[in-house]
Amino acid sequence: GNSVTQMEGPVTLSEEAFLTINCTYTATGYPSLFWYVQYPGEGLQLLLKATKADDKGSNKGFEATYRKETTSFHLEKGSVQVSDSAVYFCALSEFLMNNNDMRFGAGTRLTVKP
Amino acid sequence: ETGVTQSPTHLIKTRGQQVTLRCSSQSGHNTVSWYQQALGQGPQFIFQYYREEENGRGNFPPRFSGLQFPNYSSELNVNALELDDSALYLCASSLGQGGRYEQYFGPGTRLTVT
Repeated sequence: GNSVTQMEGPVTLSEEAFLTINCTYTATGYPSLFWYVQYPGEGLQLLLKATKADDKGSNKGFEATYRKETTSFHLEKGSVQVSDSAVYFCALSEFLMNNNDMRFGAGTRLTVKP
Repeated sequence: ETGVTQSPTHLIKTRGQQVTLRCSSQSGHNTVSWYQQALGQGPQFIFQYYREEENGRGNFPPRFSGLQFPNYSSELNVNALELDDSALYLCASSLGQGGRYEQYFGPGTRLTVT
């Protein structure tokens, strides 16, 4: 079945450091890939997405490229800020499926220190 | 445009009791999905409602049931509560069923079962 595995946390960085959070997936069909962010006490917010191989999703300085050959969708940011502290979830859904059964990774907690 | 709202925000129940959680979908969205997020874990798909009918279900027992109303709002009902049901319950709405549609999440209802 479909699944997502993401880098275990927590991750602690200093402000302006480079961020990478690894995500790999297993899928039987044509997955769309997502990164969601969850701030303390809140629900999930879509950060970025990619719907086909070699697509790059980007938002707020974050980027991730859909790599079919390595089944990966790693999240990167060149210079993190304290306000980026949150839990990040990699997720997958099947584009052609008839329902929204989205599979999430376990989440990676990022703390950015001033 | 009003986003996805959920009520109540927090709830404490006793083992064996029943609970109803509510979700109002974003304007124009006809599909609602429910997820359970245990502490420190990623969300897990419970089920999805499209135009008042359940059209997808994750690995959850029948004591988890739901409804969708003509205005596309939704309820999640859990009977015979168990301690392991303690979690954040997230509702997400989308413009349609299927993985091609972006899901918009509400802030969640935190359920504690004692």
